[in-house]
Amino acid sequence: NAGVTQTPKFRVLKTGQSMTLLCAQDMNHEYMYWYRQDPGMGLRLIHYSVGEGTTAKGEVPDGYNVSRLKKQNFLLGLESAAPSQTSVYFCASRQDSNYGYTFGSGTRLTVV
Amino acid sequence: GDSVTQMEGPVTLSEEAFLTINCTYTATGYPSLFWYVQYPGEGLQLLLKATKADDKGSNKGFEATYRKETTSFHLEKGSVQVSDSAVYFCALSDQGGSEKLVFGKGTKLTVNP
Repeated sequence: NAGVTQTPKFRVLKTGQSMTLLCAQDMNHEYMYWYRQDPGMGLRLIHYSVGEGTTAKGEVPDGYNVSRLKKQNFLLGLESAAPSQTSVYFCASRQDSNYGYTFGSGTRLTVV
Repeated sequence: GDSVTQMEGPVTLSEEAFLTINCTYTATGYPSLFWYVQYPGEGLQLLLKATKADDKGSNKGFEATYRKETTSFHLEKGSVQVSDSAVYFCALSDQGGSEKLVFGKGTKLTVNP
């Protein structure tokens, strides 16, 4: 089925460890986004990309890096995980402003 | 910058009750407006959208009308069901070229039998 696939779905990290979250979409969408969702905070934009090879900072970029080497993939990296990065991470893609986002099912990350 | 304000929850209703979730926005230009729904343990799904003033978006019995004069996009449903229990997010489309969505904080709806 066409859509946005996030891996892994769950992960537990120790403080200071690093990891990469993968987002893949098969809809040929130009725009891709990483959000985090925390209780009472709604969704906050971490980083986004407006096309292959481009990335830009969102609302809460500190402690994260991203790469978009291929149009279909958008990677989110945590260089040195901290407990404040415990959250549910959502990836989304979009073709243009006439359409909404297509979201992945999320990655639940716990940093202990 | 652009922002979305939606009514604080949680909202608890009985089955077949009328639902309204208020949403107002602040934006330059004329953004597209969206409602998303998130069921427990899942990602967000697009519920409905409106791309210009006076447009009405509708889906699964839910409706919302884009009101430019009041900068609002309130979500309504005439008769809610238990299966409508979820978190609802209002969002607008940023006009700055990033095509990103700006979300409200979400409103949790619980419908009791």
